[in-house]
Amino acid sequence: DAGVIQSPRHEVTEMGQEVTLRCKPISGHDYLFWYRQTMMRGLELLIYFNNNVPIDDSGMPEDRFSAKMPNASFSTLKIQPSEPRDSAVYFCASSLASLVVGVEQYFGPGTRLTVT
Amino acid sequence: DAKTTQPPSMDCAEGRAANLPCNHSTISGNEYVYWYRQIHSQGPQYIIHGLKNNETNEMASLIITEDRKSSTLILPHATLRDTAVYYCIVRVGNDMRFGAGTRLTVKP
Repeated sequence: DAGVIQSPRHEVTEMGQEVTLRCKPISGHDYLFWYRQTMMRGLELLIYFNNNVPIDDSGMPEDRFSAKMPNASFSTLKIQPSEPRDSAVYFCASSLASLVVGVEQYFGPGTRLTVT
Repeated sequence: DAKTTQPPSMDCAEGRAANLPCNHSTISGNEYVYWYRQIHSQGPQYIIHGLKNNETNEMASLIITEDRKSSTLILPHATLRDTAVYYCIVRVGNDMRFGAGTRLTVKP
């Protein structure tokens, strides 16, 4: 398996522009997670899906952020409009089942977003 | 959720065992102990997890004390490629919370 795939790997955009990050989870994994990592705040969970349905979006910072999972093999995280403080590395992860039963998460390589 | 405490940094000589401690004194009975690591610029990598018993896989061993208030991750023969930040996480749900971790530096 190719693992979790994210695109783009790097994104540089100007403040006010729309940014879309993409993720393809490992085939057969029912859970998909979006994280953000910054030096100041570390690694934070933004939202996670189970069977394409958003379960917990309490980590989404504000209404400028939205995430969708139209099918089992694709998810997007959109920021509109983007701001410089959104600059971070965004990771997507997937797992076979709920972490409640003790399974591992597999992380993608991340998208490094820079908003100028 | 149980809070974890890890030393901010550790050094280990190449070829020796690296023993990374983690305190989780408020852990509850159904919370798993997870270990992940993050090599610079890469996504976190799962290492091992356990509930009550000690666990071993091809990467590491996890030793959990009988009262479950602390655990130790053991890398039996550390290599330079094991240099990374190691995260100990105690969690019952899907909301994984990564703390600051331990920065392990393996030295030749």
